[in-house]
Amino acid sequence: IAGITQAPTSQILAAGRRMTLRCTQDMRHNAMYWYRQDLGLGLRLIHYSNTAGTTGKGEVPDGYSVSRANTDDFPLTLASAVPSQTSVYFCASSMDANNEQFFGPGTRLTVL
Amino acid sequence: GQNIDQPTEMTATEGAIVQINCTYQTSGFNGLFWYQQHAGEAPTFLSYNVLDGLEEKGRFSSFLSRSIGYSYLLLKELQMKDSASYLCAVQDSNYQLIWGAGTKLIIKP
Repeated sequence: IAGITQAPTSQILAAGRRMTLRCTQDMRHNAMYWYRQDLGLGLRLIHYSNTAGTTGKGEVPDGYSVSRANTDDFPLTLASAVPSQTSVYFCASSMDANNEQFFGPGTRLTVL
Repeated sequence: GQNIDQPTEMTATEGAIVQINCTYQTSGFNGLFWYQQHAGEAPTFLSYNVLDGLEEKGRFSSFLSRSIGYSYLLLKELQMKDSASYLCAVQDSNYQLIWGAGTKLIIKP
């Protein structure tokens, strides 16, 4: 692994289904983030984690949950997907909360 | 509320200079970032300003004036590969990034 990876690359999901987006980084960064990016809007923070074992809510956390069991992994779960969660999801990491963020390649999610 | 404003779209000519402006109103300020995002790709870090003034990095420069909540990104000697969206983001008092919607820069030959 080099940098930060996300899986899957894209997914079409039926409404009501549960889905976990995976994110892994090998840079030993302390902080990790999940954003969604929608056309015409800026990136919006869903959840973040400043260090392993801790998580926090961002601007748009409803309908999403995260966990940070170790430094490398930061999965995002949609418990019951709705069409408004159709978006491109980016995972990012930074050495600490006040450093520049490095982004994964993104997951394009469509909820029908 | 928190707000980041930047133009939606700009057009420039290959070889020319373009300035992309960003104004912000946020709860606290711990730095301003510029990112580049090519279509269908992830954002990549370009520059960081925390003190007033100009930061130069090759063909790209970024300026900050905290007193008026203003920054610009200056791109010189434009190349076709510079066609992308440029995202302005401000780090607020909680060190969370507040993002502008991005400026789509179109470079014409």
